[in-house]
Amino acid sequence: DAKTTQPNSMESNEEEPVHLPCNHSTISGTDYIHWYRQLPSQGPEYVIHGLTSNVNNRMASLAIAEDRKSSTLILHRATLRDAAVYYCILRDVSGNQFYFGTGTSLTVIP
Amino acid sequence: GAVVSQHPSWVICKSGTSVKIECRSLDFQATTMFWYRQFPKQSLMLMATSNEGSKATYEQGVEKDKFLINHASLTLSTLTVTSAHPEDSSFYICSARDPSRGSNQPQHFGDGTRLSIL
Repeated sequence: DAKTTQPNSMESNEEEPVHLPCNHSTISGTDYIHWYRQLPSQGPEYVIHGLTSNVNNRMASLAIAEDRKSSTLILHRATLRDAAVYYCILRDVSGNQFYFGTGTSLTVIP
Repeated sequence: GAVVSQHPSWVICKSGTSVKIECRSLDFQATTMFWYRQFPKQSLMLMATSNEGSKATYEQGVEKDKFLINHASLTLSTLTVTSAHPEDSSFYICSARDPSRGSNQPQHFGDGTRLSIL
């Protein structure tokens, strides 16, 4: 399975945008890029996913590099409830399993 | 939206006992479910893939006789930690995907089960 690399931790001020990077230099052409987040003592929560084009939903935006070797999750306006560990995961269209990396622990400062 | 429910949310038991954790898909049928384990301040580790009507597929290094998985219906998978010991204390999480929504739709995760073995 292709691996992802994320910074261990990041900080953001409340109500400011946050850009969470993810490197996936060994991504294959059929791998989708998924982002999940996990609040303390809860199961992961789906955030967004995409293949090649940038994606937007009510939670966040996903910017995918043209060569697909990196992506950035964008939270447009961080709130205290966005403090969580964010995981970037690659998933082949033919497979089901998710293999989690170490993720980025996001701290939101009031 | 699709929901996955786990029960119990937490359990404390004595060393040597067996503990069963249930994972249910509430509004969709899941032919495949997944079980993860997470130790404090660590990431989720995939333990096994639960397949309805057939044997589970275990990840390398996971003892299948220790962690028994049963997926007897399209909405229920169970994980039994047999003869649990303190080192089995962990946060266990299940997930499933709604196959009716296509092959690359998101996984839905349960809220996890906190297992503490005394």
